[in-house]
Amino acid sequence: AQSVTQLGSHVSVSEGALVLLRCNYSSSVPPYLFWYVQYPNQGLQLLLKYTSAATLVKGINGFEAEFKKSETSFHLTKPSAHMSDAAEYFCAVTSSGSARQLTFGSGTQLTVLP
Amino acid sequence: GAVVSQHPSRVICKSGTSVKIECRSLDFQATTMFWYRQFPKQSLMLMATSNEGSKATYEQGVEKDKFLINHASLTLSTLTVTSAHPEDSSFYICSARAGAGSNEQFFGPGTRLTVL
Repeated sequence: AQSVTQLGSHVSVSEGALVLLRCNYSSSVPPYLFWYVQYPNQGLQLLLKYTSAATLVKGINGFEAEFKKSETSFHLTKPSAHMSDAAEYFCAVTSSGSARQLTFGSGTQLTVLP
Repeated sequence: GAVVSQHPSRVICKSGTSVKIECRSLDFQATTMFWYRQFPKQSLMLMATSNEGSKATYEQGVEKDKFLINHASLTLSTLTVTSAHPEDSSFYICSARAGAGSNEQFFGPGTRLTVL
């Protein structure tokens, strides 16, 4: 069984400020973790993924995430928010023993204030 | 990169009619495709997993006779919402996985279904 918890359904930051979106996972086997971004009325775009290689993963648009097994976390960060980062962000988990089905978190709506 | 398309992007239909949504992998062969439903301000909920040439596996609570899935080729899966009702109005998203050894899914742009 696997699950994902995203703390904070809404996060607001000022333009230029640090972005931190939290994700904690639960998995009985080694997980593969993903962050996706969704803009209104669009599908999901992959930001980055952790697949058991380096624990610090760099993705597109300046985002990165660190896999911390001891904390069962995979938080998403970006040093400086841009207005175009405003969107819905989903954390997801899968594993080799789950038919590779993705389990999504509830999502975090990021608002960037001017 | 891998591209997945969906058609139509938006559909409005009358209650009681059936609607077919297509999901295509444009530049790769997808042995497995997934269908999700997303209600406003909510996360994606997996409806079913579709493997090419075999019957789809539906998640608990999803009516297989209402949501017909066909995965007849390695690049096309279809979802047919039969006898649609207003409560079926939602955003339907498909994804495709390139092979059995792949952990990544590529998502389509979604289809907005509105049932009047």
